Amino acid sequence: ETGVTQTPRHLVMGMTNKKSLKCEQHLGHNAMYWYKQSAKKPLELMFVYNFKEQTENNSVPSRFSPECPNSSHLFLHLHTLQPEDSALYLCASSPRQSGNQPQHFGDGTRLSIL
Amino acid sequence: AQTVTQSQPEMSVQEAETVTLSCTYDTSESNYYLFWYKQPPSRQMILVIRQEAYKQQNATENRFSVNFQKAAKSFSLKISDSQLGDTAMYFCALLTGTASKLTFGTGTRLQVTL
Repeated sequence: ETGVTQTPRHLVMGMTNKKSLKCEQHLGHNAMYWYKQSAKKPLELMFVYNFKEQTENNSVPSRFSPECPNSSHLFLHLHTLQPEDSALYLCASSPRQSGNQPQHFGDGTRLSIL
Repeated sequence: AQTVTQSQPEMSVQEAETVTLSCTYDTSESNYYLFWYKQPPSRQMILVIRQEAYKQQNATENRFSVNFQKAAKSFSLKISDSQLGDTAMYFCALLTGTASKLTFGTGTRLQVTL
């Protein structure tokens, strides 16, 4: 039990499809994060939510649309993605955005764009 | 801007031996935190060890210890008595107080062999 659960574990979709990634944390944290992990590159921070409010959008294309209905759930809605968007998408949470507490990660969703 | 550099893409160590993974970083802030995360093939990013910049004493966690050289901006991870289960990608990460962003290195793939 990781405390941060991501679904689905794997996702294959065409460029015209619409799908959503889900993240749920059971740690009572108030900050949640989306990261993109591509081969040979550092993890790229995409979005940050702190107490349900988006506080960071790291110049992410609009074909990625995050949603945070409450502090425990985070979604990443996907539409008209490109092949270069194929990657591992990791969700993380922490007690709050500021401070020194480490982030806890989920297992990620492996996304493949055909 | 914060940067984290891991200059060793891959390393190998025999079981029961000791290995050191290198990490250098750069930040203009005086208040920051450093982490080592482990990502096994299962993909979950697991916190291994953390270090507060204001602490001179090197952090230790069982078989894992760090050599924190603040002036040199170096933060290496030493794994003693290596075990097969230590096989994973290891990421060095920097968290700065004001930015509240976690910046990752590109990772070092560690293979523990018999």
